[in-house]
Amino acid sequence: AQSVSQHNHHVILSEAASLELGCNYSYGGTVNLFWYVQYPGQHLQLLLKYFSGDPLVKGIKGFEAEFIKSKFSFNLRKPSVQWSDTAEYFCAVNAHGQNFVFGPGTRLSVLP
Amino acid sequence: NAGVTQTPKFRVLKTGQSMTLLCAQDMNHEYMYWYRQDPGMGLRLIHYSVGEGTTAKGEVPDGYNVSRLKKQNFLLGLESAAPSQTSVYFCASSYRQGARYNEQFFGPGTRLTVL
Repeated sequence: AQSVSQHNHHVILSEAASLELGCNYSYGGTVNLFWYVQYPGQHLQLLLKYFSGDPLVKGIKGFEAEFIKSKFSFNLRKPSVQWSDTAEYFCAVNAHGQNFVFGPGTRLSVLP
Repeated sequence: NAGVTQTPKFRVLKTGQSMTLLCAQDMNHEYMYWYRQDPGMGLRLIHYSVGEGTTAKGEVPDGYNVSRLKKQNFLLGLESAAPSQTSVYFCASSYRQGARYNEQFFGPGTRLTVL
């Protein structure tokens, strides 16, 4: 069965700091990978996704993620965070023919 | 397009009461899902449907029932609510499960409190 782990439960950064949120999954086959963001009081929105090709994926709002197959990782990065990036971030994995599996989430607090 | 909508947005129940949450999507998606979101546990799949008239159990199905009588609607029922069902419930839909270029689209959520 698939599983997804996220390294940090809560990350606190100052504005302009760089961000990296870790995500690891366990599944040996081909997977689709996603990062979703949930702003306070809102629903989940897709930040970026990887299906195939270039392992460096660029998403909305300056976010990017790198798929490293050998490490089963899909870490999310942003070079300079803003206060408006305060949200909860979920990594998700979807193997062909199977349900989506979400990680437990990482809460990001950006201090102005 | 409205995308995925959910009603109600908030609800407070007493233990033992019943209720139905409604999810509707206007994207002609085949697959629909119900998740619950609890602090520190991410999203857990309750039930899902791969098409009109079909339903299947997810990771945490106990205490819930679902129905998919129409392609655009997916109902989640609690027959006898328990405090452990206090949670935020999200509905999602997608074209196909695990298919290339697949992604899930989420509704705004229903915050349920069971006293």
